[in-house]
Amino acid sequence: QVQLVESGGGAVQPGRSLRLTCAVSGFTFSRYGMHWVRQAPGKGLEWVAAISYDGRNKYYADSVKGRFTISRDNSQNTMYMQMNSLGGDDLAVYFCAKDKWSDRDYPRSPFDFWGQGTLVTVSS
Amino acid sequence: QSALTQPRSVSGSLGQSVTISCTGTSSDVGGYNFVSWYQHHPGKAPKLIIYDVSQRPSGVPDRFSGSKSGDTASLTISGLQAEDEADYYCCSYAGSHIQDVFGTGTEVTVL
Repeated sequence: QVQLVESGGGAVQPGRSLRLTCAVSGFTFSRYGMHWVRQAPGKGLEWVAAISYDGRNKYYADSVKGRFTISRDNSQNTMYMQMNSLGGDDLAVYFCAKDKWSDRDYPRSPFDFWGQGTLVTVSS
Repeated sequence: QSALTQPRSVSGSLGQSVTISCTGTSSDVGGYNFVSWYQHHPGKAPKLIIYDVSQRPSGVPDRFSGSKSGDTASLTISGLQAEDEADYYCCSYAGSHIQDVFGTGTEVTVL
């Protein structure tokens, strides 16, 4: 069955960096676009970034553009998010999610499978 | 890109129906038939329940239905069950430079 497992979250000081990992199984990872979505405490879901199935196309929310970098390793069935210059607004649970449709150059919703999330805490 | 607007909460009795609205603009909800809905029980993975405005993934009960009129999409849950108590989020494609935008979220309470 399809599984997405996030890791790499934790406590970090403002201005520091963190790298999140999403390990997947149960589907042909190299054919699907992938996304990061976050949820701040007490808030709603926020789309953060997306990457096409082949890694050529990447998209970011304005709130993270220039600070976060999404990437993937299709040989390892793994997606990453490098997060730099972290601030208090980045405190959230970060979910990875899978495109429903395969082989799209431009990844977008719907997201048919999600992980359970990893918590990123930013505090001095 | 601003979040789509949803009511903060809705409630209904067991067996009744509730409808959740999701209001955007002509740049997102009104401009594309790419609205999806997600059910989220806190602490768990969100679940896709409607995509492309009104399509149900396999395994999702037909109690869940979606529609759209202009810049507003709606999710209706008919025959409310106790397990439907959760947070619900709409999401719309918003163009190639913005990608996707979520709604503010609605808490559904089953009385």
